[in-house]
Amino acid sequence: QKEVEQNSGPLSVPEGAIASLNCTYSDRGSQSFFWYRQYSGKSPELIMSIYSNGDKEDGRFTAQLNKASQYVSLLIRDSQPSDSATYLCAVRGEGYQLIWGAGTKLIIKP
Amino acid sequence: DTGVSQDPRHKITKRGQNVTFRCDPISEHNRLYWYRQTLGQGPEFLTYFQNEAQLEKSRLLSDRFSAERPKGSFSTLEIQRTEQGDSAMYLCASSRDRGRPSTDTQYFGPGTRLTVL
Repeated sequence: QKEVEQNSGPLSVPEGAIASLNCTYSDRGSQSFFWYRQYSGKSPELIMSIYSNGDKEDGRFTAQLNKASQYVSLLIRDSQPSDSATYLCAVRGEGYQLIWGAGTKLIIKP
Repeated sequence: DTGVSQDPRHKITKRGQNVTFRCDPISEHNRLYWYRQTLGQGPEFLTYFQNEAQLEKSRLLSDRFSAERPKGSFSTLEIQRTEQGDSAMYLCASSRDRGRPSTDTQYFGPGTRLTVL
């Protein structure tokens, strides 16, 4: 059974600080990794994808991938109240199906 | 791109009734996915299509669920004899086939929230 694990939270971070979200996965053959943001009652919205070991930056967001340790993380710099949402980690193995974590609820406190 | 659209956005039905949902993918996206999501959980894969072909179907999908994509454009998901456990958000996503699964990126519609009384 392929699994993706996330801490459900909530993770509370002061406004302006760095939020760090983590995700581990069980399938060592996983090839691509995605972070989605989901506001309450809304559908998931793609933030970033990452395929290679190392860091990938896009604005205030940085995704980090370590295949040897089987974890992927998302850093949000200069956190804003509008970043408050649930962050979903999704992992793809050999096919097209995504395996999803249950999400981490992030709260940015003004 | 106008985005993925889904209809209806909300559906309330009584147990035992049949319901059908529609999804219109982003134009030129030939892959279409259906997911189900319950509160506090991540999306659960149901099935996906490449053009009109249904290539994969979750083992979790009972015989009461069926999906079609007859012309390779919009798709429908039908649930027969609904049960209270079917209450969930049904999400549709689409992607453009770039030839490699590793770079396939899915974009979601707003979802259809189903409540079975």
